[in-house]
Amino acid sequence: DTGVSQDPRHKITKRGQNVTFRCDPISEHNRLYWYRQTLGQGPEFLTYFQNEAQLEKSRLLSDRFSAERPKGSFSTLEIQRTEQGDSAMYLCASSRQSHRETQYFGPGTRLLVL
Amino acid sequence: GENVEQHPSTLSVQEGDSAVIKCTYSDSASNYFPWYKQELGKRPQLIIDIRSNVGEKKDQRIAVTLNKTAKHFSLHITETQPEDSAVYFCAAIQGAQKLVFGQGTRLTINP
Repeated sequence: DTGVSQDPRHKITKRGQNVTFRCDPISEHNRLYWYRQTLGQGPEFLTYFQNEAQLEKSRLLSDRFSAERPKGSFSTLEIQRTEQGDSAMYLCASSRQSHRETQYFGPGTRLLVL
Repeated sequence: GENVEQHPSTLSVQEGDSAVIKCTYSDSASNYFPWYKQELGKRPQLIIDIRSNVGEKKDQRIAVTLNKTAKHFSLHITETQPEDSAVYFCAAIQGAQKLVFGQGTRLTINP
């Protein structure tokens, strides 16, 4: 499968715990995006990287959230001290420089905070 | 910032009929408008897109139209089939980076 992959697909955690998600973009894509989707809503932008540089962060990304893409390939999204309101689907997308608007999504990680 | 409104929120049509979903956007600088189809528990899948220098684009049973003056764009699905049942999202690109999505339309095709 040469599409965007995400791991894990599902995560259940208790409030206050830290969680980390991973995204592997399509291999030749240098842009990587994180979105959050709650039930019945469209995805909301969180942050994006061009290669290893994090170029924009949404105000939705509180200081409990941090994203990295250290080698410009895979990315991780960490949520510290999880809250019940963090329960959502976390989607990753990637695009290539030559057609950077065209974003391809991964299957998402569904997070449930108890 | 950009704001995208999508209507209707639910749409039910008979198999074989056409379905139309409409979106409006607020930022006249937006220049790329994709449509995604999302089946239950699956990833959003890009089905068609249009750029602001084009008024209409068609791909088999799917077409998208764009009216830049009115700042609205629409998805048209003809000869609908049961496998077209899904949630459809429109989006607009802001600043050539982040997508701003509409609220989604749950399309149901009745056999």
